Amino acid sequence: DTEVTQTPKHLVMGMTNKKSLKCEQHMGHRAMYWYKQKAKKPPELMFVYSYEKLSINESVPSRFSPECPNSSLLNLHLHALQPEDSALYLCASSQAWGGYNEQFFGPGTRLTVL
Amino acid sequence: KNEVEQSPQNLTAQEGEFITINCSYSVGISALHWLQQHPGGGIVSLFMLSSGKKKHGRLIATINIQEKHSSLHITASHPRDSAVYICAVKGETSGSRLTFGEGTQLTVNP
Repeated sequence: DTEVTQTPKHLVMGMTNKKSLKCEQHMGHRAMYWYKQKAKKPPELMFVYSYEKLSINESVPSRFSPECPNSSLLNLHLHALQPEDSALYLCASSQAWGGYNEQFFGPGTRLTVL
Repeated sequence: KNEVEQSPQNLTAQEGEFITINCSYSVGISALHWLQQHPGGGIVSLFMLSSGKKKHGRLIATINIQEKHSSLHITASHPRDSAVYICAVKGETSGSRLTFGEGTQLTVNP
């Protein structure tokens, strides 16, 4: 299994809703990432988990809350989002943080905040 | 000036043409990625390289570390190659953090 899966594919939510994005990989990778991508822009790193511990938070607002329950699973909990948070959210994984390790990306979740 | 510059920003080609996309970077790197993204889609990693040249099917990636430059070539282009191609570098001291170029929008017409 050499892929990163993400669910849901699309999500529409109101500003008062609570929802979660899910990412899964079964490649034995120990580093997992969340990126945010706005239209026609490159991805922006949000969070990095290394060995299930949060190692990087790129000053992301607290309305985004990441969670890594185990080495295969990464969640992004969303609460009280703003319309400007509408974007493609990409998950990625790599064998480890650092070193000559390739990042593998998932298909993304297209989020629309009304 | 961005740390990673791609050219051209947009490229239109006819089916069958040979295509080159360029990437220049200004920092020391441990690796360079070429990524592909179809409209509305996720990102596919095409190549990761730190020296020389790699080939996969009709795609060839080269890198010149001394000149801080990489190229992605597509031979015998096809409409299904239409996508955004993104160059991303991993800095020598930045762990696995990637610095992305702005991408090159490629359109291949039949």
